Amino acid sequence: AQSVAQPEDQVNVAEGNPLTVKCTYSVSGNPYLFWYVQYPNRGLQFLLKYITGDNLVKGSYGFEAEFNKSQTSFHLKKPSALVSDSALYFCAVSPGYSSASKIIFGSGTRLSIRP
Amino acid sequence: ETGVTQTPRHLVMGMTNKKSLKCEQHLGHNAMYWYKQSAKKPLELMFVYSLEERVENNSVPSRFSPECPNSSHLFLHLHTLQPEDSALYLCASSQEPSRGGRGATNEKLFFGSGTQLSVL
Repeated sequence: AQSVAQPEDQVNVAEGNPLTVKCTYSVSGNPYLFWYVQYPNRGLQFLLKYITGDNLVKGSYGFEAEFNKSQTSFHLKKPSALVSDSALYFCAVSPGYSSASKIIFGSGTRLSIRP
Repeated sequence: ETGVTQTPRHLVMGMTNKKSLKCEQHLGHNAMYWYKQSAKKPLELMFVYSLEERVENNSVPSRFSPECPNSSHLFLHLHTLQPEDSALYLCASSQEPSRGGRGATNEKLFFGSGTQLSVL
């Protein structure tokens, strides 16, 4: 069975510092990996996805994520955090080419950026 | 705006009430979903309507009943709910491959802003 883990409930970073939000996954075959962001009182918004190719994926708002097959990880990163990045971030995985209904989400990591 | 609209934004109901959540998507997608979001828990997929077929999560209690009259509208009918059903209910849509072919898909989900449900 596929699964995704976000080991940190909360990550606190000072504005201007680099940030990392961690994600590990378990899925048979070659995974499709996603990051979504949820701002207060809003639904989830797509940030980026990895399907194949370059292990470093660039997404919206200056975010990027690095796919590491040996560590089964897909950590979200940003070189310089902004206060406006404060939100709830969800990692998700699906087992290769399949329906969006097969996407499994993690429990979310709350990112807090202090001025 | 994401093109997916949910109403109402907030709902408070007693355990004996019957209410319905509404979702409408303006993206021309052929699949719609209900998710349940509870604090510090993985987002839980409740129901999927894809290519006009319903796919269920067998762990969802029967007090939740979905209805999808067409590809643009989705309802979640609620009756005799329990306090533990209090959560944010999210609707989403996506474009799925057509039956018998790979078609066009990018597996991206588009979410509404949700209905915050409180059961007293």
